[in-house]
Amino acid sequence: KAGVTQTPRYLIKTRGQQVTLSCSPISGHRSVSWYQQTPGQGLQFLFEYFSETQRNKGNFPGRFSGRQFSNSRSEMNVSTLELGDSALYLCASRRSGGQIYNEQFFGPGTRLTVL
Amino acid sequence: KNEVEQSPQNLTAQEGEFITINCSYSVGISALHWLQQHPGGGIVSLFMLSSGKKKHGRLIATINIQEKHSSLHITASHPRDSAVYICAVLSYNTDKLIFGTGTRLQVFP
Repeated sequence: KAGVTQTPRYLIKTRGQQVTLSCSPISGHRSVSWYQQTPGQGLQFLFEYFSETQRNKGNFPGRFSGRQFSNSRSEMNVSTLELGDSALYLCASRRSGGQIYNEQFFGPGTRLTVL
Repeated sequence: KNEVEQSPQNLTAQEGEFITINCSYSVGISALHWLQQHPGGGIVSLFMLSSGKKKHGRLIATINIQEKHSSLHITASHPRDSAVYICAVLSYNTDKLIFGTGTRLQVFP
């Protein structure tokens, strides 16, 4: 079974631009979560999608948004990029959302550099 | 104060040594993950625990819910175990994963 895949793996953007990152979960997994990892703040939760609905959200500004498609693939978008958005963005999938918590499986990440 | 604290922050060991990494948390949790991150960035989930003890090969993870504490043990450490080990708890109230700052382990031959 293929693991979680993320595209692109590396991305360089300039301040003010916007970016869209993609995540394909493990087949059969319906929940996708996104995380940001920076040297200063470590790993932080961005949001979780389940069945095309945002189920949970972290403490990030509205410039960070996401969506999930009917095939469970998810995208996250960051608008008006700032230097501080440079980070490794990780997504993770699990079989279901809701009260039953299943183990999360992480993708390789997208490393975003904002110049 | 961070809700998830790990110790030590950095750890060096000789091949074959027994290693312990500790994680303490201050929130009510539904589950606790131990994660491994290699320099390339990808994260592998080693264990998910909600009680007791789990073992996988040379790795053992324990959790004490009453004391809000978990440990990850590596027996007979090997240079390929060199990585950052991250403790993450699923908050019972918010249903969000909260991460520790990680423990950087280097095992020398």
